[in-house]
Amino acid sequence: TQLLEQSPQFLSIQEGENLTVYCNSSSVFSSLQWYRQEPGEGPVLLVTVVTGGEVKKLKRLTFQFGDARKDSSLHITAAQPGDTGLYLCAGRADNDYKLSFGAGTTVTVRA
Amino acid sequence: DSGVTQTPKHLITATGQRVTLRCSPRSGDLSVYWYQQSLDQGLQFLIQYYNGEERAKGNILERFSAQQFPDLHSELNLSSLELGDSALYFCASSVGTGAGETQYFGPGTRLLVL
Repeated sequence: TQLLEQSPQFLSIQEGENLTVYCNSSSVFSSLQWYRQEPGEGPVLLVTVVTGGEVKKLKRLTFQFGDARKDSSLHITAAQPGDTGLYLCAGRADNDYKLSFGAGTTVTVRA
Repeated sequence: DSGVTQTPKHLITATGQRVTLRCSPRSGDLSVYWYQQSLDQGLQFLIQYYNGEERAKGNILERFSAQQFPDLHSELNLSSLELGDSALYFCASSVGTGAGETQYFGPGTRLLVL
């Protein structure tokens, strides 16, 4: 059982469309991170959120941390083929050193 | 390029064998983390070292062990290998151990046990 549940597992959209990926848990996290991983490579950090209700924007990507620090979402506006990849959320629960990862969402953006 | 290096990139071995995976963290980073990524389990935290000392342990099997050397590089030893140990093994590093620390991942070692 994953501490962090990501949905959907797979997402295939046309270039120019918007998409949202969700990351949910019953646990409270002191911080939550989003990574993107491309085939044959390690995950690359996109953003870290630490405050409940926090919203961060990175160009066309918008990240939101839930008020209760139990969930997060990643929204991509006007997706491009370069956004294709595996998106992973990861959280560090209160009083825990380790980072727990969700199973990931595979995003495919078709040209 | 994250600055974290891992060797070898690929490894093919047989059941029952023992292998060693090596990781060099980014310059200045004191923490090293090991993760296993498989198709059915996703990315699982194995173990963390900070400045040579074990700091946290995750889902690491007893057949697996790790250490961090004085020069801060780390090795993950996998013994009595089984087919199910086939996976991608990632090393990550960070400056410290705080909750908001950024972990930088290496390119991984792909292990295939036949």
